[in-house]
Amino acid sequence: ETGVTQSPTHLIKTRGQQVTLRCSSQSGHNTVSWYQQALGQGPQFIFQYYREEENGRGNFPPRFSGLQFPNYSSELNVNALELDDSALYLCASSFLSQGSGTEAFFGQGTRLTVV
Amino acid sequence: ILNVEQSPQSLHVQEGDSTNFTCSFPSSNFYALHWYRWETAKSPEALFVMTLNGDEKKKGRISATLNTKEGYSYLYIKGSQPEDSATYLCAFISGNTGKLIFGQGTTLQVKP
Repeated sequence: ETGVTQSPTHLIKTRGQQVTLRCSSQSGHNTVSWYQQALGQGPQFIFQYYREEENGRGNFPPRFSGLQFPNYSSELNVNALELDDSALYLCASSFLSQGSGTEAFFGQGTRLTVV
Repeated sequence: ILNVEQSPQSLHVQEGDSTNFTCSFPSSNFYALHWYRWETAKSPEALFVMTLNGDEKKKGRISATLNTKEGYSYLYIKGSQPEDSATYLCAFISGNTGKLIFGQGTTLQVKP
């Protein structure tokens, strides 16, 4: 058990729709990162939130956005869904500090299918 | 673009065999290298966090080494067991960003 939970576990959406994925981080962790894993690939970094502010972004368009809340929960929002957005979405929480190895604790992921 | 490469992509071994995988990463601006084990239907779980050149870490039958100058890490499993079957991911961190750059993983199947 990593102490990180994601909801829902599976989701089917139609192209063009919007989706919100949720993550509950470990208590005390100040950082949450979101990753997309397409079939046959390693997880790709989407963005990171540190103390409720975006703190780095990967190569994803602006229709991918996020929020981090003070109660250790966070959201990943995707607008105007495309078929290629079908993937497993992972959130990872960690405690980011100077000199820390920043071990990440992952949720089980949300499997999103866009049809 | 920072690339992390893992080899082999997949591996099938018999119970009792020892095995090893490779992770290659950029040798510049190194901060840390993580290894994760990801079993089917579960969350990826950290095996090792490695930060210093020459680091060697061990957890039971699993060990890892790190060479930051040449940009590679090896993961070794001694006497593989069926419960070791999983995908093993390495992830590189450049600078103290907490951003993990993953390889594509090595999927290990251990046959009884």
